[in-house]
Amino acid sequence: AQTVTQSQPEMSVQEAETVTLSCTYDTSESDYYLFWYKQPPSRQMILVIRQEAYKQQNATENRFSVNFQKAAKSFSLKISDSQLGDAAMYFCAYRTPVALVFGKGTKLTVNP
Amino acid sequence: NAGVTQTPKFQVLKTGQSMTLQCAQDMNHEYMSWYRQDPGMGLRLIHYSVGAGITDQGEVPNGYNVSRSTTEDFPLRLLSAAPSQTSVYFCASSYSWQSQETQYFGPGTRLLVL
Repeated sequence: AQTVTQSQPEMSVQEAETVTLSCTYDTSESDYYLFWYKQPPSRQMILVIRQEAYKQQNATENRFSVNFQKAAKSFSLKISDSQLGDAAMYFCAYRTPVALVFGKGTKLTVNP
Repeated sequence: NAGVTQTPKFQVLKTGQSMTLQCAQDMNHEYMSWYRQDPGMGLRLIHYSVGAGITDQGEVPNGYNVSRSTTEDFPLRLLSAAPSQTSVYFCASSYSWQSQETQYFGPGTRLLVL
């Protein structure tokens, strides 16, 4: 069964600085999709970025980018120029044919 | 598009009561699912549906029932509420069950069972 591990329960960053959130996963599949979701205090789950495993190029969405290391089964999220609005829970997820398998999340605090 | 909507936003139940959490989407998505989120945990799949008339169990299905009579709606029924079902419930949908499809989430329903 696929598992997703986020080893950092909490992280903090200064406004305008860069922070990296870690995620590792376990799978025997060769082609799959990975996602990062943001959950602010409103509890809404918001898609941040997604990565297709067969693409070697790391996905980027504005200030958000990933470092995808397929052999190491690692999928970290880098947030550049952090803003106060980035404060939230961040969940890494692996997409199976019928579900998203989530990690336990990392709480990100942004200090002014 | 309203996207994925859920009602109610918050509900308090007594142990043994039954209720239905409503979920609807207006994006003509085939795939719909229910997750629960407990403190310190990621979301866990309760039930899912790959199309009208087709449902199946996820990781934590006990105590919950679903049906899918239309493409738009996917209600979640609690048959006899227990305190262990206190949680935040999310409905999600995607165009199909294919792995590359992004799932879109509703705003969640917070349920408290006393």
